[in-house]
Amino acid sequence: EPEVTQTPSHQVTQMGQEVILRCVPISNHLYFYWYRQILGQKVEFLVSFYNNEISEKSEIFDDQFSVERPDGSNFTLKIRSTKLEDSAMYFCASSEGQGPQETQYFGPGTRLLVL
Amino acid sequence: AQSVTQLGSHVSVSEGALVLLRCNYSSSVPPYLFWYVQYPNQGLQLLLKYTSAATLVKGINGFEAEFKKSETSFHLTKPSAHMSDAAEYFCAVSDGNQAGTALIFGKGTTLSVSS
Repeated sequence: EPEVTQTPSHQVTQMGQEVILRCVPISNHLYFYWYRQILGQKVEFLVSFYNNEISEKSEIFDDQFSVERPDGSNFTLKIRSTKLEDSAMYFCASSEGQGPQETQYFGPGTRLLVL
Repeated sequence: AQSVTQLGSHVSVSEGALVLLRCNYSSSVPPYLFWYVQYPNQGLQLLLKYTSAATLVKGINGFEAEFKKSETSFHLTKPSAHMSDAAEYFCAVSDGNQAGTALIFGKGTTLSVSS
């Protein structure tokens, strides 16, 4: 069964450093998403992406965040200058279509720890 | 704005007992509702979703949920718990009235199953 994969599974970085989190969505999916979950808190939407453009973003997704589809398979989330409060589990998801009824398929997550 | 409340951060049941995980939503438009499950070290997996076709929705692994508009609820049930059901369960709502497809999650409920 096709699945969303994410690398790395864990990343530790120093405050102020740049990190890139990588995701490989399901191959025939066209819509991609990033969510995060700070320990003990809700899973929160960051951004959705379609046709090489951001479709929607939350207030969390400020100028230090960016997303890219550098090739036909990868989807990345870059945090330019990490802060302590960026420590969280980051989930990538993809869906075949767009719309509120569409199922989003999630990857296993990348646990980011900023020291 | 849409929101989801999951009552009970932790639910414990005995094997063979009824599982009931509660979810209440707030939505100004007819909602699309989802239940996801997360097993340790894995991504979020869709259990079932409500898209207005039927109020009683059957999902994988014997789970089902009933949409009750009058109670703004979408509780998840399983008649007989199995040890393998131990996981974290997330209720989510998708705004049915906008082009964006952000899922809004509850805080999650951890289900423990004892023998």
